Amino acid sequence: ETGVTQSPTHLIKTRGQQVTLRCSSQSGHNTVSWYQQALGQGPQFIFQYYREEENGRGNFPPRFSGLQFPNYSSELNVNALELDDSALYLCASSLELGSGELFFGEGSRLTVL
Amino acid sequence: AQTVTQSQPEMSVQEAETVTLSCTYDTSESDYYLFWYKQPPSRQMILVIRQEAYKQQNATENRFSVNFQKAAKSFSLKISDSQLGDAAMYFCAYRSAVHGGSQGNLIFGKGTKLSVKP
Repeated sequence: ETGVTQSPTHLIKTRGQQVTLRCSSQSGHNTVSWYQQALGQGPQFIFQYYREEENGRGNFPPRFSGLQFPNYSSELNVNALELDDSALYLCASSLELGSGELFFGEGSRLTVL
Repeated sequence: AQTVTQSQPEMSVQEAETVTLSCTYDTSESDYYLFWYKQPPSRQMILVIRQEAYKQQNATENRFSVNFQKAAKSFSLKISDSQLGDAAMYFCAYRSAVHGGSQGNLIFGKGTKLSVKP
């Protein structure tokens, strides 16, 4: 059984650019959520997708957007990057909406210069 | 809004000894889940243990156990017979049991860095 995989693992962007991060859910999981983890902090919820529809959003501006595809893989897009967007971005999948356990990927480390 | 507080930024334990990590939370809900996640330098969040709020019995997973005090809104993690591989960041997390919406997301504390001394 393949776990949650994310790409790229590391990337560097400059302020104002756009970035796309990708996530493949664990096999059979139809719910995916994204978290931002700043250095020295706990992860913060960005949004969740269930069966290709956004199903909950945290306190992040609209320049953070996402997609979930029919195979339940997902993308996180961030436009107009700011220095404070530098963080580890974690993707997590779960078997069903409301399922208690999330399975996390290893994250994408984004550095904005 | 729910909050999770971990008051110990760093803890240290001798190998083979026992250590307890503290976590308190605030919620007005009666039905929810509580979790402890481990994040080693590899960055991947690994579930250590899970507790359903409706269960009075404390969860146990091998060397890991919790002390769940619902009235006090406390959820501590005890690691027995500590091993070098236990060294990591430990995060306490809360999740509402209400389906749908942002209530399904995890709310994390700021974490406790655990060091294990040989």
